[in-house]
Amino acid sequence: KNEVEQSPQNLTAQEGEFITINCSYSVGISALHWLQQHPGGGIVSLFMLSSGKKKHGRLIATINIQEKHSSLHITASHPRDSAVYICAVSLANTGNQFYFGTGTSLTVIP
Amino acid sequence: KAGVTQTPRYLIKTRGQQVTLSCSPISGHRSVSWYQQTPGQGLQFLFEYFSETQRNKGNFPGRFSGRQFSNSRSEMNVSTLELGDSALYLCASSLLSWGGGELFFGEGSRLTVL
Repeated sequence: KNEVEQSPQNLTAQEGEFITINCSYSVGISALHWLQQHPGGGIVSLFMLSSGKKKHGRLIATINIQEKHSSLHITASHPRDSAVYICAVSLANTGNQFYFGTGTSLTVIP
Repeated sequence: KAGVTQTPRYLIKTRGQQVTLSCSPISGHRSVSWYQQTPGQGLQFLFEYFSETQRNKGNFPGRFSGRQFSNSRSEMNVSTLELGDSALYLCASSLLSWGGGELFFGEGSRLTVL
């Protein structure tokens, strides 16, 4: 059983659509991170959440600690948003030990 | 400021050989963690070092080892390479020690085992 479940695995959207990617986890965590990986391998950290909601430009991330669930939203999607989005959780009381979701491959069509 | 630097970027080895990968974190970051990424398994945690001490280790065989130096640079070593070790190896550094700091990833070292 995976400690971190992400959905959907693949997502194709038209430019301008509102996108939601979901992440559920089953372990106690100290924080949840949303990461973005472009073809070629480079990974960029988008958000770190321990509670509530964060917004950066067209990206919004929320977390519900009680329900062990987080969502990443992209408003007004653009082809440059095409990437793999990965949810990662750091286990409580273990420093920087992370479990990862399998990733959501997003393609935004012009 | 300079990002996380991993070397080498690409390497090809044969079964049974060993390999050493290097990671230089962002200046001031004392936490360095290593990950293996494969198409089948995704990203998996290997180990994490903080101030030269290994604090956590993932579920990998003893052939995978690492260390961190006093300048926070870290190396990981894989001995007796197997075909299944072919993967992208990523390291990340963080300013904080408890999982709540932003992670900065290197570009990775892509290892091919023939």
